[in-house]
Amino acid sequence: GENVEQHPSTLSVQEGDSAVIKCTYSDSASNYFPWYKQELGKGPQLIIDIRSNVGEKKDQRIAVTLNKTAKHFSLHITETQPEDSAVYFCAASPVTGNQFYFGTGTSLTVIP
Amino acid sequence: NAGVTQTPKFRVLKTGQSMTLLCAQDMNHEYMYWYRQDPGMGLRLIHYSVGEGTTAKGEVPDGYNVSRLKKQNFLLGLESAAPSQTSVYFCASSFTGGAKNIQYFGAGTRLSVL
Repeated sequence: GENVEQHPSTLSVQEGDSAVIKCTYSDSASNYFPWYKQELGKGPQLIIDIRSNVGEKKDQRIAVTLNKTAKHFSLHITETQPEDSAVYFCAASPVTGNQFYFGTGTSLTVIP
Repeated sequence: NAGVTQTPKFRVLKTGQSMTLLCAQDMNHEYMYWYRQDPGMGLRLIHYSVGEGTTAKGEVPDGYNVSRLKKQNFLLGLESAAPSQTSVYFCASSFTGGAKNIQYFGAGTRLSVL
């Protein structure tokens, strides 16, 4: 099955700086890569996603890039704010089947 | 709009006890999922359902059973709880499965098995 690795496990940045979280996957059949944000005491919430026919997608301060050849994708958050502090999860979903395979999460702290 | 609602929010069990976690969604989604979240291990799929009356095993199904008698509800059962089942459990739902779906999560149930 699919194996998704996520790095780093913890990340601290100063407010206004950029944050980058990286994930790799093993199954070349995966073609959908969502990113979820989990705030303390809440369930994960989708913040951005990318499909394998697209190399980059941007939504305001958040962007995701995908390199299918290298089997890795990354989340970029620019101009970070304290409310960006949360745990972020990447995931991969194969073309066939109904399962998401999640990374182990990155705890992001934005220091005011 | 409630979205995905999980009950209870917290529960403490003794080893060997049984319990049922309830997930309800009001978005008319076909697919529903149960995950467990453990420190350093991310979210792992326990069971899922692709429609009313159907269930399927995920990555870590042992020790759990599920039922989907109504489209809006997905129940997760622990017949004989073990300390290894101490975790935070999340339910999710989506319109479809695979690469076309967006999963919406509930707020979670924190379970401790003593």
